[in-house]
Amino acid sequence: GESVGLHLPTLSVQEGDNSIINCAYSNSASDYFIWYKQESGKGPQFIIDIRSNMDKRQGQRVTVLLNKTVKHLSLQIAATQPGDSAVYFCAEGKIIFGKGTRLHILP
Amino acid sequence: DTGVSQDPRHKITKRGQNVTFRCDPISEHNRLYWYRQTLGQGPEFLTYFQNEAQLEKSRLLSDRFSAERPKGSFSTLEIQRTEQGDSAMYLCASSLNENVKLFFGSGTQLSVL
Repeated sequence: GESVGLHLPTLSVQEGDNSIINCAYSNSASDYFIWYKQESGKGPQFIIDIRSNMDKRQGQRVTVLLNKTVKHLSLQIAATQPGDSAVYFCAEGKIIFGKGTRLHILP
Repeated sequence: DTGVSQDPRHKITKRGQNVTFRCDPISEHNRLYWYRQTLGQGPEFLTYFQNEAQLEKSRLLSDRFSAERPKGSFSTLEIQRTEQGDSAMYLCASSLNENVKLFFGSGTQLSVL
């Protein structure tokens, strides 16, 4: 069936290091994928999207990579800051969300 | 604040009672979405509207759930005869047409006792 999942439920990263959050998907017909950030007590916040005909897209301090061969999506956060602490979700379009990865920033 | 607003933020109810939540999207957004999120999980799609038309409903949406958007602006989500399994965060989001970027509200946390 359709599913979007994550390899690691929790990720701890030293402040200043780069973070890589991974996601696997199963529906290869999706037109686009999105990464969201959700802080405690708030709704998800859009970070970046990538169309299915792209392999890479960069934003401010973030890069999303899409590997359609293995149906894998990743979010790279450069120079991780304390404010990056949150749960990160990948989503397939607007319908299917993964379970999320909690990112902890170590001082 | 011109973001998506949801009311109430928290709702505690007894099993069997009906509850209604409200969502006010960003004013120029014609698409409005409802999701349910339980602890440790990602949002689950429930339904969405384009203007006042409800275009899609999830198979997860039982007949106890009904959503409306009568004037194409705010929306309400009603749950009848609540069950303990309905306890969750109910999130609303809006977008402009098919724009991929969804703007979420802070949600309504429902606890069914």
